Amino acid sequence: GESVGLHLPTLSVQEGDNSIINCAYSNSASDYFIWYKQESGKGPQFIIDIRSNMDKRQGQRVTVLLNKTVKHLSLQIAATQPGDSAVYFCAETPFDGSARQLTFGSGTQLTVLP
Amino acid sequence: DGGITQSPKYLFRKEGQNVTLSCEQNLNHDAMYWYRQDPGQGLRLIYYSQIVNDFQKGDIAEGYSVSREKKESFPLTVTSAQKNPTAFYLCASSIDRDSAGYTFGSGTRLTVV
Repeated sequence: GESVGLHLPTLSVQEGDNSIINCAYSNSASDYFIWYKQESGKGPQFIIDIRSNMDKRQGQRVTVLLNKTVKHLSLQIAATQPGDSAVYFCAETPFDGSARQLTFGSGTQLTVLP
Repeated sequence: DGGITQSPKYLFRKEGQNVTLSCEQNLNHDAMYWYRQDPGQGLRLIYYSQIVNDFQKGDIAEGYSVSREKKESFPLTVTSAQKNPTAFYLCASSIDRDSAGYTFGSGTRLTVV
């Protein structure tokens, strides 16, 4: 499948500041996007998703923005906390008529500084 | 609690040895997946199964084999043909093949010694 990439491999933010993690995707057929959080030695956890008929979706302290024109996805975390330190992956999937398979980006390591 | 369980958490394999990683789910999900994760990289799909007794190769299936005899179980065998098996292996499941809402297990770290 086509790759999903991230602009920055690492991001450091001060506790309490807002974090923005970016993701570029290349498969124009993708219609569903998901952000996952992965803590060290654990499996990815679902954070938030968005479908291609939307450009913004908000959750608790997190917002995902989708810009289909430039194939760009971002995750915004408000008032970043130490517990937010993890690797964040974006994933995309088109529906090809048989099954959905996720294509993952390489991840961004978010470090929250005290 | 419903969930997906992988075992063991850590596994050591000698050169030329086959090993099997366990993945069990009690979520009543039809679809199950195996991913490989290398340091600093994203997840790459090894095999997936949309329904019992059916499975398909993913992007990096060479050197791996799977079975899906029961809905709840999707074991992955890393064979001696896999030349670089040291990695973190993640199993996931979803309600059905049309769903991208994956639930992941906690992973198995395989090391060749």
